[in-house]
This record gives sequence, structure tokens and C-alpha cells, in this order.
Amino acid sequence: TQLLEQSPQFLSIQEGENLTVYCNSSSVFSSLQWYRQEPGEGPVLLVTVVTGGEVKKLKRLTFQFGDARKDSSLHITAAQTGDTGLYLCAGAVGQNFVFGPGTRLSVLP
Amino acid sequence: NAGVTQTPKFQVLKTGQSMTLQCAQDMNHEYMSWYRQDPGMGLRLIHYSVGAGITDQGEVPNGYNVSRSTTEDFPLRLLSAAPSQTSVYFCASRRGDPYEQYFGPGTRLTVT
Repeated sequence: TQLLEQSPQFLSIQEGENLTVYCNSSSVFSSLQWYRQEPGEGPVLLVTVVTGGEVKKLKRLTFQFGDARKDSSLHITAAQTGDTGLYLCAGAVGQNFVFGPGTRLSVLP
Repeated sequence: NAGVTQTPKFQVLKTGQSMTLQCAQDMNHEYMSWYRQDPGMGLRLIHYSVGAGITDQGEVPNGYNVSRSTTEDFPLRLLSAAPSQTSVYFCASRRGDPYEQYFGPGTRLTVT
């Protein structure tokens, strides 16, 4: 049983489209992180959200932490082929992190 | 500044063999962790360390040992490799706070 669920599992879209991926749990997290991982490489941190309801923007990426700190979303505006990758969310539990299974995004030219 | 480095990049073992996966960081981070990544499972924590001389078990520790004799190095030992340990292994490090975790490039291990 996954502590963190991510949806959709796979997503294939055309360049220029908008998309939202989700990270959900029944547990409360003190903070939540989003990573992007490209094939053959380790995950790279995109953002950390800490406060319930917090919204952070990173260029075309918008991250939101749920009010109850149990879920999060990542919205990408005008997707580019460089956004292709595996998007992972990770919730802080004590001094460690629990990872979701990821959303694999393909942005087609 | 190399960040987090891992060796080897690829490894093939036979069942029952032992080996050590190396991990080093040059950022003077206190926290270091080992994860394994399997398809559809995300990353699962194997062992972690909050400082030199201190280690603890994560979610999936069986079949693995770690030690932390220096701040920089955190090797992962497979005692007797099993096919179930076929996976991609990532080492990560961070400062005392939970906000910035840096990952190495990974070791792809196949056990036949």
C-alpha cells in the first residue's frame, strides 16, 4: 500500500498544452517536495511546500499544497518537450521522506 | 563541487555474491540516505544516517548493511545478493533541515 498516490500514472500531451498532476495521501505531512527525474539520472528537487494552502511558482510550473497538508498538485502551463520526465512527490515523515510512484510525462513536439 | 557521487554506474552480480555500492558527497551534509527505485514503486528508503557514526533502518533494510565512518562517505553493502535486489539504487544527502535533498546519479544493479 502506497502512502502517497500519484495520478495520472502516465500522461502524453502535445507541446503547448496545459496539464495538472496530483499527489494524494490520507496522511498529513510537515512538508512536501516535488522532483523531476530524467532517464538514467537521479531525481532533482523542483520545490518544497511547507504551509497548508501554499502556492509556489517556478516559471511555467505552479505547485499547490492542500489546506490539510495531505495532498498537492503540480500544474504546467504551455508544456515544452523539455518538461518530459518522471515527476515524483515526496512527503516528510519525521526526519525522512516517503515517495509516491510518480507520473511519467511525455511532451510531444 | 561534485555534489553526490556514486560508483559503480552499473553492476551485474550472481546470486549469493556480495558487493559494496559507494556514495560520497562534498557538501558537508549531515544527512545521507540510500533508496532503491523499482518500476511503479517510487523510491523506498533502505538505510539512512544523521551524522558520522549514526545509522538507522528505513522501510526496506533487509539484506543491506551501512556504516558512516566519515561525513563524506556512506557505503551500502549487499551481504548475499538475491534476484529481488535487482533495482536502481540512489544515494542522497541533505543538511539538517528537510528542505534540500540532493541525489546521486544512481547504480543500476542486476542480480542473476
